[in-house]
Amino acid sequence: QKEVEQDPGPLSVPEGAIVSLNCTYSNSAFQYFMWYRQYSRKGPELLMYTYSSGNKEDGRFTAQVDKSSKYISLFIRDSQPSDSATYLCAMSVGYGGATNKLIFGTGTLLAVQP
Amino acid sequence: EAGVAQSPRYKIIEKRQSVAFWCNPISGHATLYWYQQILGQGPKLLIQFQNNGVVDDSQLPKDRFSAERLKGVDSTLKIQPAKLEDSAVYLCASRSGTSGSYNEQFFGPGTRLTVL
Repeated sequence: QKEVEQDPGPLSVPEGAIVSLNCTYSNSAFQYFMWYRQYSRKGPELLMYTYSSGNKEDGRFTAQVDKSSKYISLFIRDSQPSDSATYLCAMSVGYGGATNKLIFGTGTLLAVQP
Repeated sequence: EAGVAQSPRYKIIEKRQSVAFWCNPISGHATLYWYQQILGQGPKLLIQFQNNGVVDDSQLPKDRFSAERLKGVDSTLKIQPAKLEDSAVYLCASRSGTSGSYNEQFFGPGTRLTVL
């Protein structure tokens, strides 16, 4: 079993739709939860990070972490064609030294149709 | 602030040949990472440096991969000899802090390696 599972998609939605992206994980020691966006032929860029459980909102993006279910989500409201990219969830146990090691999901390919 | 620089951007080699990738992290960033991203998968950490010391190389195939970070700045990743399964994007990332608070990892654009 992989430490982090993510549906690879692809996911195709019309412009303006609400998008829900999800990951599950097996390691209960994970405390830091990140969402990265990766455009084609580019490196990943951090969208949001959350420490432990709870919700975090940044503009059109909301990240949720449910540690009891080992489940994290990213919601995108009013999706735009410019949101078309691969979304990667990533997790780490800590932030110092080797504990900062990121474990990534496989990524979900999102296409927002105009 | 300049980002993480990597070169070359693309490389095509025959199997059993050797290849090297170069990374220049963001100025002042103490921690440097090399990741391997195979098509359709998420990045997988190969090696982590803190300044010029290795923190984690548990997933580096040491029989063929090597990496160094001289003077705690630039880094090179080498593959010798290359296998077909090494075809992937090799991403370099850097981070400013060594510990004490969460710091974002900044990724470079990657080097796309094709082994024929």
